[in-house]
Amino acid sequence: LAKTTQPISMDSYEGQEVNITCSHNNIATNDYITWYQQFPSQGPRFIIQGYKTKVTNEVASLFIPADRKSSTLSLPRVSLSDTAVYYCLVGMNTGFQKLVFGTGTRLLVSP
Amino acid sequence: GAVVSQHPSWVICKSGTSVKIECRSLDFQATTMFWYRQFPKQSLMLMATSNEGSKATYEQGVEKDKFLINHASLTLSTLTVTSAHPEDSSFYICSARGQTRDYGYTFGSGTRLTVV
Repeated sequence: LAKTTQPISMDSYEGQEVNITCSHNNIATNDYITWYQQFPSQGPRFIIQGYKTKVTNEVASLFIPADRKSSTLSLPRVSLSDTAVYYCLVGMNTGFQKLVFGTGTRLLVSP
Repeated sequence: GAVVSQHPSWVICKSGTSVKIECRSLDFQATTMFWYRQFPKQSLMLMATSNEGSKATYEQGVEKDKFLINHASLTLSTLTVTSAHPEDSSFYICSARGQTRDYGYTFGSGTRLTVV
């Protein structure tokens, strides 16, 4: 399983765009990149998934360069409610491969 | 979308007693479920993989006799913490992936276990 590296923490203010980068140098050809969000005392929640280039949904964008050794989760115009821990995971999109969580990035959004 | 229901959301038990946590997939069948443990300010740590109709696969360092996992149906997996001690106090989370789900895994809301 590809190991991921993220910043431990980030600070931002309401209304700003936040970009969280994840490094996954050993990503395999069949691996997808998935980001989860976790609030205190809750289970992680799926945010976005991608394989290459750019993926956008209603809450975030995911940028993946051509070499796929890193990815960036972009949260546009964050609010206080976006304060959470964000996890980047790498693995196959099919089957039942177990998910191994890294340290995650603790995002604090201030007024 | 896929929903995983986990109960109870919190439980307090006396040291030496056993506690059962249930994880149900509500709108899909889950042949495989995963159990995680999370200590305060730490990441999720995978404990075991629960397979319907067969024995669970435990991660290194996880005591299988202490954390009993049963996956008797395609929609239910249970984790029983036997002879609980204060050091077992933690946040336990299950996750599942349905047969037809294309994106990611769905997680339960977690169970806060406090052993006193």
